[in-house]
Amino acid sequence: GAVVSQHPSWVICKSGTSVKIECRSLDFQATTMFWYRQFPKQSLMLMATSNEGSKATYEQGVEKDKFLINHASLTLSTLTVTSAHPEDSSFYICSALGDRARVNQPQHFGDGTRLSIL
Amino acid sequence: KQEVTQIPAALSVPEGENLVLNCSFTDSAIYNLQWFRQDPGKGLTSLLLIQSSQREQTSGRLNASLDKSSGRSTLYIAASQPGDSATYLCAVRPRGSEKLVFGKGTKLTVNP
Repeated sequence: GAVVSQHPSWVICKSGTSVKIECRSLDFQATTMFWYRQFPKQSLMLMATSNEGSKATYEQGVEKDKFLINHASLTLSTLTVTSAHPEDSSFYICSALGDRARVNQPQHFGDGTRLSIL
Repeated sequence: KQEVTQIPAALSVPEGENLVLNCSFTDSAIYNLQWFRQDPGKGLTSLLLIQSSQREQTSGRLNASLDKSSGRSTLYIAASQPGDSATYLCAVRPRGSEKLVFGKGTKLTVNP
């Protein structure tokens, strides 16, 4: 089946540091990737939609300059949390869609990244 | 605006029981509905996808139904096992969108 790899799985860093999270589709080409944030015991909150070769579309309330998204190839999207602060600590999950024109294909999710800012 | 609701929020059953998880959505204009499983500290695993033209999908001990007109879906788990313990999430893909709208999930505990 389709596999999405997310790296790193866990990162702890000091306040003010920028952190990059990678999301790779291993066995298919992902025209669209999604980035979610999940708070403890809550559902997923969509942060942004990333289409290969174009700028990401951010959901309302998500700071573009804070959460930089790059989708430079059909198999890789990155999320960079710039100048991270403790309130950015959360669980970040990516997902990938092979062909957004095919409406009945499932999204495939990565295993998530636990980000802890001290 | 599409909203997805899952009831109950948590469910605890003894091993071997058959159980049903419920999902409802407010707008029937969808492409499909997906059921996912999430283990603690992990991402989502896709279990079943039901297209809007379908009534049900089956995979092993799992059976998902869809009644689009009433805005409801159920996930039936037969002969539950402790390994089924996880949070189950329901999500719909609205027509005209590539995004998924998620419910808040049902946390299932199957006791040995």
